[in-house]
Amino acid sequence: DAGITQSPRHKVTETGTPVTLRCHQTENHRYMYWYRQDPGHGLRLIHYSYGVKDTDKGEVSDGYSVSRSKTEDFLLTLESATSSQTSVYFCAIRGDGYEQYFGPGTRLTVT
Amino acid sequence: GIQVEQSPPDLILQEGANSTLRCNFSDSVNNLQWFHQNPWGQLINLFYIPSGTKQNGRLSATTVATERYSLLYISSSQTTDSGVYFCAVGRGYQKVTFGTGTKLQVIP
Repeated sequence: DAGITQSPRHKVTETGTPVTLRCHQTENHRYMYWYRQDPGHGLRLIHYSYGVKDTDKGEVSDGYSVSRSKTEDFLLTLESATSSQTSVYFCAIRGDGYEQYFGPGTRLTVT
Repeated sequence: GIQVEQSPPDLILQEGANSTLRCNFSDSVNNLQWFHQNPWGQLINLFYIPSGTKQNGRLSATTVATERYSLLYISSSQTTDSGVYFCAVGRGYQKVTFGTGTKLQVIP
């Protein structure tokens, strides 16, 4: 257990509203990641962070922004949610041995 | 970017049977991991195996980096092995690319 929690676990929101998902870790790992999982696509990287205030884009970053003001928290924001952003969102950390460990996921539905 | 292909996409096994899942990748990598996503959606790290062979109970994995593939072996399968198995690869240690997975169903 890498001590990763995500909140909320489920959310339903309307098109055009802002949404923020939170990932929290308890073990001070430097690297944190946000992925989305959709049928037929596996997991795709949205953004990742390699330290406080240090972030970079993944392969599907359009429409998403992130922030990391503390080591333990990595926030994913959808500025104006669209139906194409309906997905399951996973946060992960990179352990000391380069393995990634995942949080429980957040199921987001945009209506 | 690196392309990752997993096969087969779907697999149905009788409990007690053995299986081999394959992961092919398009470029040299120094980071390769196998994950299991259980039917409740939880993603569990199985192996970090950029090369060589590792075993953990009924599961083992082999990566032949020079030939750009990795194999995950499941022996004496159990219903709790059901779920989706993902391979993820990377050229560095910052990020990885996931395959689309193999969905395994073990029937009693």
